Amino acid sequence: DAGVIQSPRHEVTEMGQEVTLRCKPISGHDYLFWYRQTMMRGLELLIYFNNNVPIDDSGMPEDRFSAKMPNASFSTLKIQPSEPRDSAVYFCASRLEQGPDTQYFGPGTRLTVL
Amino acid sequence: AQSVTQLGSHVSVSEGALVLLRCNYSSSVPPYLFWYVQYPNQGLQLLLKYTTGATLVKGINGFEAEFKKSETSFHLTKPSAHMSDAAEYFCAVSADVTGRRALTFGSGTRLQVQP
Repeated sequence: DAGVIQSPRHEVTEMGQEVTLRCKPISGHDYLFWYRQTMMRGLELLIYFNNNVPIDDSGMPEDRFSAKMPNASFSTLKIQPSEPRDSAVYFCASRLEQGPDTQYFGPGTRLTVL
Repeated sequence: AQSVTQLGSHVSVSEGALVLLRCNYSSSVPPYLFWYVQYPNQGLQLLLKYTTGATLVKGINGFEAEFKKSETSFHLTKPSAHMSDAAEYFCAVSADVTGRRALTFGSGTRLQVQP
């Protein structure tokens, strides 16, 4: 299996622009998670889905952030408009419904907002 | 609610020395516990996990951790550090109290290995 795939790996954009991050989970996995990692706040859970349905979005910082999972093999995290404080590494992870909650992480997208 | 505390944001050891990274957790129900490792510019990789059964858990790269319920701890150890162990290590807990099936991560410990 190819593992969790994220694109792009690096994104540099200007303040006010829309940013879309993409994730392909491991085939057959039922849960998908979006995390943000910064030096100041560490690893934060933003939102997670179960069978394509958003379950908990309490970690989404504000309305500028939105996430979708239109099917079992694809999810997006969108920031509109982006701000410099959104600069971070964004990780996607997936896991099976059954089992001890082991999550498998993608390589991350490093976002820089100028 | 569940939480994880990792003592020491930075740990430095000499090559060949014992590695000890500390993790304490809080959970109102029996937890699942995890250690993940993150190498520079990479995602998190599972090192080992405790679910039920044997409290001493062995993982990849010679690491192991012991679940101590009385101390609410899950410290990570390796008898002899190698230069390639330099990375950031995250302890995480999962406790399905309210149906929330997500991991709560600690703040991470950066391990430096000196030659």
